[in-house]
Amino acid sequence: DGGITQSPKYLFRKEGQNVTLSCEQNLNHDAMYWYRQDPGQGLRLIYYSQIVNDFQKGDIAEGYSVSREKKESFPLTVTSAQKNPTAFYLCASSSPGQAYNEQFFGPGTRLTVL
Amino acid sequence: KNQVEQSPQSLIILEGKNCTLQCNYTVSPFSNLRWYKQDTGRGPVSLTIMTFSENTKSNGRYTATLDADTKQSSLHITASQLSDSASYICVDDSYKGDSNYQLIWGAGTKLIIKP
Repeated sequence: DGGITQSPKYLFRKEGQNVTLSCEQNLNHDAMYWYRQDPGQGLRLIYYSQIVNDFQKGDIAEGYSVSREKKESFPLTVTSAQKNPTAFYLCASSSPGQAYNEQFFGPGTRLTVL
Repeated sequence: KNQVEQSPQSLIILEGKNCTLQCNYTVSPFSNLRWYKQDTGRGPVSLTIMTFSENTKSNGRYTATLDADTKQSSLHITASQLSDSASYICVDDSYKGDSNYQLIWGAGTKLIIKP
């Protein structure tokens, strides 16, 4: 059963803590992305990776970090430096060979800072 | 100023009725214009993707139109069903050069279908 999984679905964090959001895909896609979604706003790109062991900052990378050690996995760490981390986080993947380089999304993780 | 603006912000219609959602984009040149459906608490799912040269594209009861001259797109939903209740997001696929594309996301229109 191919797709993208994100875990956990809900995550609560105390101020000053780092947390890591998981994203796994078995679609054999080369590229993976992390977006943040806030109410009333469009999705904003945090980080993306086009190939294993390589990643680039998106529009709002400050306070976040990623790694891409395996093709299937692209975890996102929300650090204590992120001033307003409460949001809905979406992971996506795509393949250059796919028509229109279409991105496929996971179910999302809702992070709440207590 | 948001480079992709959608209207209305929210819309309530009765089951079985038709509706049209609007999208204005300002970024050019663009490669594709995309519409996504996002159920509450879920990830977006692609509905249609139109290239610059296409005027209209259908996916079942969903029909997207594109006017590149006025930089406007619309998504028309025919014979709405309760399952159409979701946010509908317009996305401008902007080419940045060197095989790099940037997706610019609208804030979405929240559609509620009432029985």
